[in-house]
Amino acid sequence: EAGVVQSPRYKIIEKKQPVAFWCNPISGHNTLYWYRQNLGQGPELLIRYENEEAVDDSQLPKDRFSAERLKGVDSTLKIQPAELGDSAVYLCASSSDRANYNEQFFGPGTRLTVL
Amino acid sequence: AQSVTQLGSHVSVSEGALVLLRCNYSSSVPPYLFWYVQYPNQGLQLLLKYTTGATLVKGINGFEAEFKKSETSFHLTKPSAHMSDAAEYFCAVSEAGYSTLTFGKGTMLLVSP
Repeated sequence: EAGVVQSPRYKIIEKKQPVAFWCNPISGHNTLYWYRQNLGQGPELLIRYENEEAVDDSQLPKDRFSAERLKGVDSTLKIQPAELGDSAVYLCASSSDRANYNEQFFGPGTRLTVL
Repeated sequence: AQSVTQLGSHVSVSEGALVLLRCNYSSSVPPYLFWYVQYPNQGLQLLLKYTTGATLVKGINGFEAEFKKSETSFHLTKPSAHMSDAAEYFCAVSEAGYSTLTFGKGTMLLVSP
């Protein structure tokens, strides 16, 4: 079974530029998460989807961040415009509601560097 | 609100020595507790979890952890460290039945020959 796929793995941009990250969850997983992991910190939730509905986006900086999950499968996270403080690793995870503890499976992440 | 505190940003052990990584949590409801490992440039991999039942849980790669409600702790141990255990370890908590995880800041485990 393929794991969570993310692309690109690395991205370097200048500040004020837009950037987008893509995530393909494990097949059949209805819940998808985007986390941001700053250097030396644990991951922090940005947004959680149940199928195509964003059910928890309270920590998403909505002035510059947006996300979508069309058809309840793949998801895209966008930043426009990027700021220096957005440099971090962006992790995507997925889980199935058939598991009673909702174990989350993580992708390898996208490391964003904003210059 | 939930929170996780991991004592020690770095822990150094010799190969073959006991590994002990500390995690304390705060939760107003019965928690689910997790330990994840992250190798360089990789995503997080689940080591073990506590949901209900037996408080001593065994995970992959010889790791285990014990849920102690009275101490609000979930420390991770391994009897004998291996060089391949060198990685960053994250403790996480969620409310029972609710999927959002709150992570600690992580502990980097360094293993010397």
